[in-house]
Amino acid sequence: GDSVTQMEGPVTLSEEAFLTINCTYTATGYPSLFWYVQYPGEGLQLLLKATKADDKGSNKGFEATYRKETTSFHLEKGSVQVSDSAVYFCALPAGGTSYGKLTFGQGTILTVHP
Amino acid sequence: EAQVTQNPRYLITVTGKKLTVTCSQNMNHEYMSWYRQDPGLGLRQIYYSMNVEVTDKGDVPEGYKVSRKEKRNFPLILESPSPNQTSLYFCASSLRVGKGPDRYTEAFFGQGTRLTVV
Repeated sequence: GDSVTQMEGPVTLSEEAFLTINCTYTATGYPSLFWYVQYPGEGLQLLLKATKADDKGSNKGFEATYRKETTSFHLEKGSVQVSDSAVYFCALPAGGTSYGKLTFGQGTILTVHP
Repeated sequence: EAQVTQNPRYLITVTGKKLTVTCSQNMNHEYMSWYRQDPGLGLRQIYYSMNVEVTDKGDVPEGYKVSRKEKRNFPLILESPSPNQTSLYFCASSLRVGKGPDRYTEAFFGQGTRLTVV
Protein backbone atom coordinates (compact mmCIF):
# COMPACT_ATOMS: atom_id res chain seq x y z
CA GLY A 1 0.00 0.00 0.00
CA ASP A 2 0.87 3.64 -0.10
CA SER A 3 3.39 4.86 2.45
CA VAL A 4 5.38 7.94 3.41
CA THR A 5 8.78 7.99 5.10
CA GLN A 6 10.19 11.10 6.76
CA MET A 7 13.63 11.70 8.15
CA GLU A 8 14.07 10.90 11.80
CA GLY A 9 13.86 13.81 14.18
CA PRO A 10 13.89 15.87 16.20
CA VAL A 11 15.69 18.64 14.35
CA THR A 12 17.19 21.52 16.32
CA LEU A 13 18.48 24.60 14.51
CA SER A 14 19.58 28.11 15.26
CA GLU A 15 17.62 31.02 13.84
CA GLU A 16 18.48 31.81 10.18
CA ALA A 17 19.86 28.30 9.56
CA PHE A 18 18.92 26.30 6.46
CA LEU A 19 16.32 23.60 6.90
CA THR A 20 15.79 20.36 5.00
CA ILE A 21 13.33 17.67 6.04
CA ASN A 22 13.43 14.63 3.80
CA CYS A 23 10.31 12.84 2.61
CA THR A 24 10.02 9.87 0.27
CA TYR A 25 6.89 8.05 -0.72
CA THR A 26 5.60 4.81 -2.23
CA ALA A 27 2.39 5.06 -4.21
CA THR A 28 0.65 3.92 -7.35
CA GLY A 29 0.79 6.55 -10.04
CA TYR A 30 1.52 10.19 -9.31
CA PRO A 31 -0.62 11.40 -6.43
CA SER A 32 -0.69 14.91 -5.02
CA LEU A 33 1.80 15.47 -2.22
CA PHE A 34 1.44 17.67 0.84
CA TRP A 35 3.29 19.11 3.77
CA TYR A 36 1.20 19.79 6.85
CA VAL A 37 2.41 21.73 9.89
CA GLN A 38 1.25 21.38 13.49
CA TYR A 39 2.08 24.32 15.76
CA PRO A 40 2.10 23.68 19.52
CA GLY A 41 -1.38 23.07 20.87
CA GLU A 42 -3.03 23.29 17.47
CA GLY A 43 -4.36 20.99 14.79
CA LEU A 44 -2.63 20.35 11.50
CA GLN A 45 -2.84 22.87 8.71
CA LEU A 46 -1.81 22.62 5.09
CA LEU A 47 1.58 24.25 4.54
CA LEU A 48 2.10 23.56 0.84
CA LYS A 49 1.18 21.15 -1.90
CA ALA A 50 2.17 19.86 -5.32
CA THR A 51 -0.44 18.27 -7.55
CA LYS A 52 1.80 16.76 -10.24
CA ALA A 53 5.36 15.70 -10.95
CA ASP A 54 7.96 18.48 -11.15
CA ASP A 55 5.62 20.95 -9.43
CA LYS A 56 7.12 23.14 -6.73
CA GLY A 57 4.92 24.01 -3.79
CA SER A 58 5.75 27.07 -1.71
CA ASN A 59 4.35 28.99 1.24
CA LYS A 60 5.73 31.11 4.11
CA GLY A 61 9.27 30.75 2.75
CA PHE A 62 9.05 26.95 2.63
CA GLU A 63 9.46 25.05 -0.64
CA ALA A 64 9.19 21.45 -1.80
CA THR A 65 9.60 19.97 -5.28
CA TYR A 66 7.72 16.87 -6.42
CA ARG A 67 10.41 14.61 -7.92
CA LYS A 68 8.98 11.45 -9.44
CA GLU A 69 12.41 10.04 -10.35
CA THR A 70 13.42 9.82 -6.71
CA THR A 71 9.82 9.63 -5.32
CA SER A 72 10.69 12.49 -3.01
CA PHE A 73 9.14 15.71 -1.73
CA HIS A 74 11.75 17.25 0.56
CA LEU A 75 10.82 20.36 2.53
CA GLU A 76 13.30 23.26 2.55
CA LYS A 77 13.57 26.74 3.99
CA GLY A 78 16.53 29.02 3.52
CA SER A 79 16.36 30.85 6.87
CA VAL A 80 14.26 29.47 9.70
CA GLN A 81 12.72 31.55 12.46
CA VAL A 82 11.79 30.71 16.04
CA SER A 83 8.14 30.85 14.96
CA ASP A 84 8.77 27.89 12.61
CA SER A 85 9.13 25.56 15.60
CA ALA A 86 6.47 22.93 15.01
CA VAL A 87 5.89 19.36 13.88
CA TYR A 88 5.99 18.82 10.11
CA PHE A 89 4.19 15.99 8.33
CA CYS A 90 4.57 14.81 4.77
CA ALA A 91 1.38 13.26 3.40
CA LEU A 92 -0.28 11.84 0.32
CA PRO A 93 -3.96 11.19 -0.39
CA ALA A 94 -5.58 7.80 -0.80
CA GLY A 95 -7.54 8.86 -3.87
CA GLY A 96 -10.49 7.06 -5.34
CA THR A 97 -13.66 6.93 -3.24
CA SER A 98 -11.73 7.64 -0.03
CA TYR A 99 -10.49 10.92 -1.42
CA GLY A 100 -10.30 12.57 1.99
CA LYS A 101 -7.94 10.01 3.53
CA LEU A 102 -4.35 11.05 4.03
CA THR A 103 -1.40 8.76 4.63
CA PHE A 104 1.11 10.56 6.85
CA GLY A 105 4.77 10.22 7.56
CA GLN A 106 5.94 9.90 11.14
CA GLY A 107 6.29 13.64 11.66
CA THR A 108 9.46 15.65 12.28
CA ILE A 109 9.74 17.89 15.31
CA LEU A 110 11.57 21.13 14.51
CA THR A 111 12.89 23.39 17.27
CA VAL A 112 14.50 26.70 16.34
CA HIS A 113 16.54 28.54 18.97
CA PRO A 114 17.21 32.32 18.91
CA GLU B 1 -14.79 31.63 10.49
CA ALA B 2 -14.37 28.24 8.80
CA GLN B 3 -13.40 25.70 11.40
CA VAL B 4 -13.55 22.21 12.81
CA THR B 5 -14.39 22.15 16.50
CA GLN B 6 -13.63 19.25 18.80
CA ASN B 7 -14.61 18.81 22.42
CA PRO B 8 -13.24 18.22 24.92
CA ARG B 9 -9.62 19.28 24.40
CA TYR B 10 -8.39 17.17 27.29
CA LEU B 11 -9.95 14.11 28.88
CA ILE B 12 -8.78 11.69 31.54
CA THR B 13 -10.99 8.67 32.08
CA VAL B 14 -10.92 5.19 33.55
CA THR B 15 -10.86 1.88 31.72
CA GLY B 16 -14.30 0.79 30.57
CA LYS B 17 -16.16 4.07 31.03
CA LYS B 18 -17.91 5.00 27.79
CA LEU B 19 -17.02 8.37 26.34
CA THR B 20 -17.81 10.50 23.30
CA VAL B 21 -15.62 13.08 21.62
CA THR B 22 -17.64 15.52 19.57
CA CYS B 23 -16.63 17.05 16.24
CA SER B 24 -18.45 19.73 14.28
CA GLN B 25 -17.55 21.56 11.05
CA ASN B 26 -19.20 24.65 9.57
CA MET B 27 -17.90 24.33 5.99
CA ASN B 28 -20.56 21.98 4.61
CA HIS B 29 -17.92 19.38 3.74
CA GLU B 30 -19.15 15.91 2.85
CA TYR B 31 -16.04 13.97 3.89
CA MET B 32 -15.07 13.77 7.55
CA SER B 33 -12.65 11.53 9.38
CA TRP B 34 -11.01 10.75 12.69
CA TYR B 35 -7.28 10.21 13.19
CA ARG B 36 -5.17 9.28 16.14
CA GLN B 37 -1.63 10.59 16.52
CA ASP B 38 0.98 8.53 18.32
CA PRO B 39 4.74 9.25 18.63
CA GLY B 40 6.74 7.77 15.78
CA LEU B 41 3.61 6.67 13.91
CA GLY B 42 2.27 9.93 12.52
CA LEU B 43 -1.49 10.12 12.14
CA ARG B 44 -3.57 7.06 11.34
CA GLN B 45 -7.16 7.13 10.17
CA ILE B 46 -9.69 5.51 12.50
CA TYR B 47 -13.01 5.99 10.68
CA TYR B 48 -14.30 8.15 7.90
CA SER B 49 -17.61 9.29 6.50
CA MET B 50 -18.37 10.14 2.89
CA ASN B 51 -21.71 11.75 3.75
CA VAL B 52 -24.67 11.58 6.11
CA GLU B 53 -25.36 7.99 7.22
CA VAL B 54 -22.31 6.71 5.28
CA THR B 55 -19.37 5.64 7.42
CA ASP B 56 -16.54 3.15 6.99
CA LYS B 57 -13.47 1.83 8.76
CA GLY B 58 -10.07 3.38 8.37
CA ASP B 59 -6.78 1.75 9.23
CA VAL B 60 -7.21 1.38 13.02
CA PRO B 61 -10.96 1.08 13.78
CA GLU B 62 -10.89 -1.49 16.61
CA GLY B 63 -12.46 -0.18 19.81
CA TYR B 64 -14.12 2.83 18.19
CA LYS B 65 -17.54 3.71 16.79
CA VAL B 66 -18.78 6.72 14.86
CA SER B 67 -22.06 8.08 13.58
CA ARG B 68 -23.04 10.70 11.00
CA LYS B 69 -26.64 11.73 11.51
CA GLU B 70 -26.05 15.30 10.36
CA LYS B 71 -23.59 16.63 7.83
CA ARG B 72 -21.83 18.92 10.27
CA ASN B 73 -21.33 16.46 13.17
CA PHE B 74 -19.16 13.36 13.39
CA PRO B 75 -18.76 12.11 16.96
CA LEU B 76 -16.20 9.47 17.98
CA ILE B 77 -17.43 6.96 20.54
CA LEU B 78 -15.32 4.72 22.75
CA GLU B 79 -17.71 2.18 24.24
CA SER B 80 -15.15 0.63 26.60
CA PRO B 81 -11.91 2.59 26.56
CA SER B 82 -8.64 0.84 27.30
CA PRO B 83 -5.19 2.25 28.12
CA ASN B 84 -3.92 1.53 24.58
CA GLN B 85 -6.40 4.13 23.35
CA THR B 86 -4.49 6.83 25.18
CA SER B 87 -3.58 9.14 22.32
CA LEU B 88 -4.09 12.51 20.64
CA TYR B 89 -7.19 12.48 18.45
CA PHE B 90 -7.97 14.74 15.51
CA CYS B 91 -11.15 15.23 13.57
CA ALA B 92 -10.86 16.47 10.00
CA SER B 93 -13.17 17.52 7.22
CA SER B 94 -12.06 17.51 3.60
CA LEU B 95 -12.82 19.42 0.45
CA ARG B 96 -11.92 18.71 -3.16
CA VAL B 97 -10.30 21.74 -4.75
CA GLY B 98 -9.67 22.52 -8.41
CA LYS B 99 -10.26 20.58 -11.59
CA GLY B 100 -8.50 18.13 -13.86
CA PRO B 101 -4.85 17.25 -13.16
CA ASP B 102 -4.51 20.06 -10.62
CA ARG B 103 -7.35 18.75 -8.49
CA TYR B 104 -6.47 17.92 -4.91
CA THR B 105 -8.10 17.42 -1.54
CA GLU B 106 -7.44 19.77 1.37
CA ALA B 107 -8.11 18.60 4.90
CA PHE B 108 -9.05 20.91 7.76
CA PHE B 109 -8.26 19.70 11.24
CA GLY B 110 -9.67 20.36 14.67
CA GLN B 111 -7.37 21.35 17.53
CA GLY B 112 -7.19 17.85 18.90
CA THR B 113 -8.37 15.94 21.95
CA ARG B 114 -5.75 14.51 24.27
CA LEU B 115 -7.24 11.40 25.82
CA THR B 116 -5.71 9.51 28.72
CA VAL B 117 -7.22 6.20 29.81
CA VAL B 118 -6.03 4.93 33.19
